[in-house]
Amino acid sequence: TQLLEQSPQFLSIQEGENLTVYCNSSSVFSSLQWYRQEPGEGPVLLVTVVTGGEVKKLKRLTFQFGDARKDSSLHITAAQPGDTGLYLCAGRYGNNRLAFGKGNQVVVIP
Amino acid sequence: GAGVSQSPSNKVTEKGKDVELRCDPISGHTALYWYRQRLGQGLEFLIYFQGNSAPDKSGLPSDRFSAERTGESVSTLTIQRTQQEDSAVYLCASSLQGAGGYTFGSGTRLTVV
Repeated sequence: TQLLEQSPQFLSIQEGENLTVYCNSSSVFSSLQWYRQEPGEGPVLLVTVVTGGEVKKLKRLTFQFGDARKDSSLHITAAQPGDTGLYLCAGRYGNNRLAFGKGNQVVVIP
Repeated sequence: GAGVSQSPSNKVTEKGKDVELRCDPISGHTALYWYRQRLGQGLEFLIYFQGNSAPDKSGLPSDRFSAERTGESVSTLTIQRTQQEDSAVYLCASSLQGAGGYTFGSGTRLTVV
């Protein structure tokens, strides 16, 4: 079983603040993806990171893949209410399967 | 359609009844996945179809669960003799040849009463 631990499970911040959430595992993944899920919808892919140490930016979101390809972080700068959602990390392993963490629930208060 | 379509969006069923959930993947996506999402839990892998290869059924929780896929198109997930612990959102996703990101449907929320 490929286990991904996401922390914190729940985070509530004021609009304009910065936040960082984490995804950790003892397993090595060939790549790692971040998704955002809103209530009543399926997860939507935000980014894929492949190389250890890789950093990718998507507007105010910065994603980093750990050097050993076991962990990742997501940093949001100047959070907006539209950033509210469940952020899921998923590691690719084996036969093109993804293992998902339980998610980081982020609430941005206007 | 442009996205992954799942039906029904909501299903309430009595304990012991059988249910069938449907997934229409994106045209041309050879890989199709079913996941289960219980409240407060992560996505739990159920089954994976890749082209004409034998499906990876290693995530199915019991023999009450089965799934089929017709070629590279529609898939159905069947749950027989439903139990209350089967209550969850069932998500279907497709991708190109199993690589790259998944495109998820909006899910079927199953409630067993």
